[in-house]
Amino acid sequence: TQLLEQSPQFLSIQEGENLTVYCNSSSVFSSLQWYRQEPGEGPVLLVTVVTGGEVKKLKRLTFQFGDARKDSSLHITAAQPGDTGLYLCAGARSGGGADGLTFGKGTHLIIQP
Amino acid sequence: EAGVTQFPSHSVIEKGQTVTLRCDPISGHDNLYWYRRVMGKEIKFLLHFVKESKQDESGMPNNRFLAERTGGTYSTLKVQPAELEDSGVYFCASSQVGSNSPLHFGNGTRLTVT
Repeated sequence: TQLLEQSPQFLSIQEGENLTVYCNSSSVFSSLQWYRQEPGEGPVLLVTVVTGGEVKKLKRLTFQFGDARKDSSLHITAAQPGDTGLYLCAGARSGGGADGLTFGKGTHLIIQP
Repeated sequence: EAGVTQFPSHSVIEKGQTVTLRCDPISGHDNLYWYRRVMGKEIKFLLHFVKESKQDESGMPNNRFLAERTGGTYSTLKVQPAELEDSGVYFCASSQVGSNSPLHFGNGTRLTVT
């Protein structure tokens, strides 16, 4: 069974601080996706990383895929209250990503003004 | 474009009853997935349709769960008879065919079995 461990589970920081969320596995994934989920809604895709070592930036969010494609990180610079939410990582087993995803439990992030 | 819609948003039923969840994917999306999140656990894959065919149903918990996608459009997930451990949020997602096509999730159906 492929598992994705996310850390931390909960994080509460002040506006303007930086933070990093980690997603680790002992298994190799063909790609890894990061989602953000708001209460009462479904997960919304933020980014997909495919190549080992790949780095993608989305405004103040930086996503990195580990060289061995077993882990990933999400770094937020100068966090804003609007960044509050549940962040989920999910790994795809096959190249097309059409197979079922393996999700981590998520990181609950609270940015206090 | 309309997103993935799920109905109902909430359902409370008693143990032993039957419940049917519905998912309408984004028009033109051949891939349709069902996922479930049980309280305290991660979101888990249940099954995957490509059009009307079941591509992968390895995540279905047991034979009390039946998913259909007649005509390759909307899908239903029936739980019969429901058990307490079936409580959770059931998500549907859809995507176009193609490498790394983004997955679009619905808002889920929160099922409570009492």
